[in-house]
Amino acid sequence: DAEITQSPRHKITETGRQVTLACHQTWNHNNMFWYRQDLGHGLRLIHYSYGVQDTNKGEVSDGYSVSRSNTEDLPLTLESAASSQTSVYFCASSESDSPETQYFGPGTRLLVL
Amino acid sequence: GENVEQHPSTLSVQEGDSAVIKCTYSDSASNYFPWYKQELGKGPQLIIDIRSNVGEKKDQRIAVTLNKTAKHFSLHITETQPEDSAVYFCAAGFQKLVFGTGTRLLVSP
Repeated sequence: DAEITQSPRHKITETGRQVTLACHQTWNHNNMFWYRQDLGHGLRLIHYSYGVQDTNKGEVSDGYSVSRSNTEDLPLTLESAASSQTSVYFCASSESDSPETQYFGPGTRLLVL
Repeated sequence: GENVEQHPSTLSVQEGDSAVIKCTYSDSASNYFPWYKQELGKGPQLIIDIRSNVGEKKDQRIAVTLNKTAKHFSLHITETQPEDSAVYFCAAGFQKLVFGTGTRLLVSP
């Protein structure tokens, strides 16, 4: 079955380290999104991509970067992890003709010490 | 930009009762309004959605209503069951989504 996976599921790192979270989908969706989920804030958009080589900033993009070299993957990189980036991160994907209809992965829980 | 408000933040009901969660949005350009259910330790799961050209949509025990004039939409769950207990998120948008802050629904047997 087609699916969307995230790895690792749990990660502990130290402030200042570079961290990369992986997202892989097998639906062949053109659109992919990264969100962070914090208590009291719901889900907030970090970065998104509408296709290979396309990346765009979302509402809370500072300190994060993404790159899209193929359809299946959109890795999220924290250049220099900060304690404020402790959160649960979700990846989502959607089809080209319905970008709003998004399907989410299981999430990565990140703790920055 | 879009702003979505969701109420209540917590909702406790008895099994078999109905539950209603309400959201308001600010951007009249938004044309898509999904609802997600999130169980503990899992990602949000799309349970129902509605587009701006439709006023109501039903799927078994869940329904969503949309009032474009007032810019609000609601999720209705009838005959609630303990397995309906979860956090529910509304969202609104055009191409991109803005989410509400979630409602924790607890259904007691």
